Amino acid sequence: AQSVTQPDIHITVSEGASLELRCNYSYGATPYLFWYVQSPGQGLQLLLKYFSGDTLVQGIKGFEAEFKRSQSSFNLRKPSVHWSDAAEYFCAVGSYNTDKLIFGTGTRLQVFP
Amino acid sequence: DTEVTQTPKHLVMGMTNKKSLKCEQHMGHRAMYWYKQKAKKPPELMFVYSYEKLSINESVPSRFSPECPNSSLLNLHLHALQPEDSALYLCASSQAPPRGDSRGYTFGSGTRLTVV
Repeated sequence: AQSVTQPDIHITVSEGASLELRCNYSYGATPYLFWYVQSPGQGLQLLLKYFSGDTLVQGIKGFEAEFKRSQSSFNLRKPSVHWSDAAEYFCAVGSYNTDKLIFGTGTRLQVFP
Repeated sequence: DTEVTQTPKHLVMGMTNKKSLKCEQHMGHRAMYWYKQKAKKPPELMFVYSYEKLSINESVPSRFSPECPNSSLLNLHLHALQPEDSALYLCASSQAPPRGDSRGYTFGSGTRLTVV
């Protein structure tokens, strides 16, 4: 079955520290992978996406993600976290032959000054 | 214009009321979506419209009725809702036709619905 797993429900980091949010997927077809961020009460904003090509993807707000097919992972990273990065982060997977995105359960990021 | 606009932002309705949620995009996207999101949960797909035709209904109760009057507009008509339908309703659009190259959705900021 197709699924997306975000193992970390809640992560707390200090401002200026590095960040890595984990995402693992199970998908029969070639996956398209996405990271979205959601601030409280807001919609989802696309941070970055991977379809093909270079497995290291650069996104907005200084985020990047690396697709590792052998590990079925698409982890999100940021070298130095800012207080404004505190939000909920969702990993999602889709494909060329589906209208649906399958979302992970999300990781809540808390940033301490 | 790279936005999906949803109105209203907040809605409180009684269980006997009829109301509508509206969604608009001017990005030329030909697929539009309704999602429901409960607190601390990921979005759940409700409906997909492709080229103004309903292509996916995720077994949503008939008290939710979607409508796509044209390629830029998407409505969700609500009638006889239950308190458990209270949630954030998100609209999204995407560039590709269905079964094409999914380029990622653009989400609106949502309508916070409370059913009393």
